[in-house]
Amino acid sequence: TQLLEQSPQFLSIQEGENLTVYCNSSSVFSSLQWYRQEPGEGPVLLVTVVTGGEVKKLKRLTFQFGDARKDSSLHITAAQPGDTGLYLCAGLLTDSWGKLQFGAGTQVVVTP
Amino acid sequence: NAGVTQTPKFRILKIGQSMTLQCTQDMNHNYMYWYRQDPGMGLKLIYYSVGAGITDKGEVPNGYNVSRSTTEDFPLRLELAAPSQTSVYFCASSYTGTLSDTIYFGEGSWLTVV
Repeated sequence: TQLLEQSPQFLSIQEGENLTVYCNSSSVFSSLQWYRQEPGEGPVLLVTVVTGGEVKKLKRLTFQFGDARKDSSLHITAAQPGDTGLYLCAGLLTDSWGKLQFGAGTQVVVTP
Repeated sequence: NAGVTQTPKFRILKIGQSMTLQCTQDMNHNYMYWYRQDPGMGLKLIYYSVGAGITDKGEVPNGYNVSRSTTEDFPLRLELAAPSQTSVYFCASSYTGTLSDTIYFGEGSWLTVV
């Protein structure tokens, strides 16, 4: 069983559309990260959120950490083909140190 | 700009064979990690190390061994390979174990056990 559940598993949209990916858990995390992974490569960090209710923006990407620190979302505005990839959320439990828990990922495909 | 380097990139093993996945980082990071990634399952932590000479088990350590004799190197040993170990393996490193610090991943090693 996954400690972090991501939804949807797969998302295919047209260029210019918006999308939201969700990351949910019944556990409380001290902090949470979002990664993007492209085929044949390792995950690359996009953002870290540490405060409940925190919202971070990275150009067209908006990340939100839930008030209770159990969930997070990633919203992409006006998606581009370059946004295609596997989006992974990963969290650090409040009682652990250095042991990231990963979600299974959401595969996003943006077609021109 | 080497970062985290893993070798080999691809390997096919027969059941019962052994092999070592090599990982080296040139960023003087204290923390190093080995993850495996199976389709639809996300990344699972196999072993991690907080510094030379110190290692600890992660979520799925069975069938694997590690050592950390230097800050730079963190090899992963597979003993008596089994089909269940077919996966993509990622080595990663960070300066500290907190999420205020960026974790850098290698490009992955694709292992197939037949």
